[in-house]
Amino acid sequence: DAGITQSPRYKITETGRQVTLMCHQTWSHSYMFWYRQDLGHGLRLIYYSAAADITDKGEVPDGYVVSRSKTENFPLTLESATRSQTSVYFCASSDLTTGGFGYTFGSGTRLTVV
Amino acid sequence: GQSLEQPSEVTAVEGAIVQINCTYQTSGFYGLSWYQQHDGGAPTFLSYNALDGLEETGRFSSFLSRSDSYGYLLLQELQMKDSASYFCAVSQYSSASKIIFGSGTRLSIRP
Repeated sequence: DAGITQSPRYKITETGRQVTLMCHQTWSHSYMFWYRQDLGHGLRLIYYSAAADITDKGEVPDGYVVSRSKTENFPLTLESATRSQTSVYFCASSDLTTGGFGYTFGSGTRLTVV
Repeated sequence: GQSLEQPSEVTAVEGAIVQINCTYQTSGFYGLSWYQQHDGGAPTFLSYNALDGLEETGRFSSFLSRSDSYGYLLLQELQMKDSASYFCAVSQYSSASKIIFGSGTRLSIRP
């Protein structure tokens, strides 16, 4: 199906473990983003990518790693998970040619670090 | 740096009109966006303003004043399904596609 999908939807992991959250989009959008959302807060940008093999830091990049070898995939890795990284993670994509600079978000991954 | 301010909570009555304000401070301002998010759901794009003035999309309108660093989202004929959080977000000239979100306004609709 067309769209943007995130996996897993829910994840519980232990402190210190490495975790990878997946994001896949089928529109060939050039831009992709990772945001985290904590209870009662807005969305904070972790990393973004303007195209394959081009990534850049957002507001809160520490403790995270991204890669984008293919246009359609943008995985986010927590190298050594900490409890402060317990959050809901949203992936988004955007195609500037559509105008309005609207993002389309995935359904999110709810990550709990214990 | 960048900062956005919007009220944390707003309550309104079904069928009424409500305005959610957003003020921002950012260098190289490019545009202001609005997103809606229902509890447990993903944010969805509502509108975008790059130029001063009012943009209307059905029951929703969005306004921007670049000189005042101010914008608002206007919701008319409120329905119970409009109960959600609303986020303003700014994009900068230096990276037109990267946007930074405000903390959101939780809108509650009363019958």
